[in-house]
Amino acid sequence: NAGVTQTPKFRVLKTGQSMTLLCAQDMNHEYMYWYRQDPGMGLRLIHYSVGEGTTAKGEVPDGYNVSRLKKQNFLLGLESAAPSQTSVYFCASSYGVYQPQHFGDGTRLSIL
Amino acid sequence: RKEVEQDPGPFNVPEGATVAFNCTYSNSASQSFFWYRQDCRKEPKLLMSVYSSGNEDGRFTAQLNRASQYISLLIRDSKLSDSATYLCVAGLYDKVIFGPGTSLSVIP
Repeated sequence: NAGVTQTPKFRVLKTGQSMTLLCAQDMNHEYMYWYRQDPGMGLRLIHYSVGEGTTAKGEVPDGYNVSRLKKQNFLLGLESAAPSQTSVYFCASSYGVYQPQHFGDGTRLSIL
Repeated sequence: RKEVEQDPGPFNVPEGATVAFNCTYSNSASQSFFWYRQDCRKEPKLLMSVYSSGNEDGRFTAQLNRASQYISLLIRDSKLSDSATYLCVAGLYDKVIFGPGTSLSVIP
């Protein structure tokens, strides 16, 4: 039982490149979330999903797209990477809206 | 006003001390409350859920005061391993808000 798995763990991109971050959970959770965390700051919600085929915007959605084609996977895409998107990205999942979230161990993304 | 606010910290305490963290939330309709801990450069991990009746898990006690929109976390007999950032969370429906965190360093 791996819990929440994020790939890749580290990535360096050049400005303007695109990439996709993958989050996979094996706990049959309905809800999945993508956050970013910048140095000295709290978690900020980018997008989330309340079930397969659904997505919704969070606090800082601009520059990102997401898809939830399968219940266990939640993909985060950067369309045209910018240095301001350098951050640590965390994926999380939960059974329901009032249940605690379980986090992956993060993706450290640097954009030059 | 931020939706979830926490003591700014950092807290530096000696081993064995008791330390209390405070958190306030702005939405009176919030229904779910949690405390997480986050070690440096690691993912947040659930420490405990917070219930209206209060709850205790070993050295950790969490309290919820709905009237004051206030959540607290008490750590007794602090250990070096308690050094981390503690995140307060308040949620309503699909909106879950994490506080900025309070850093704790337990000193030998």
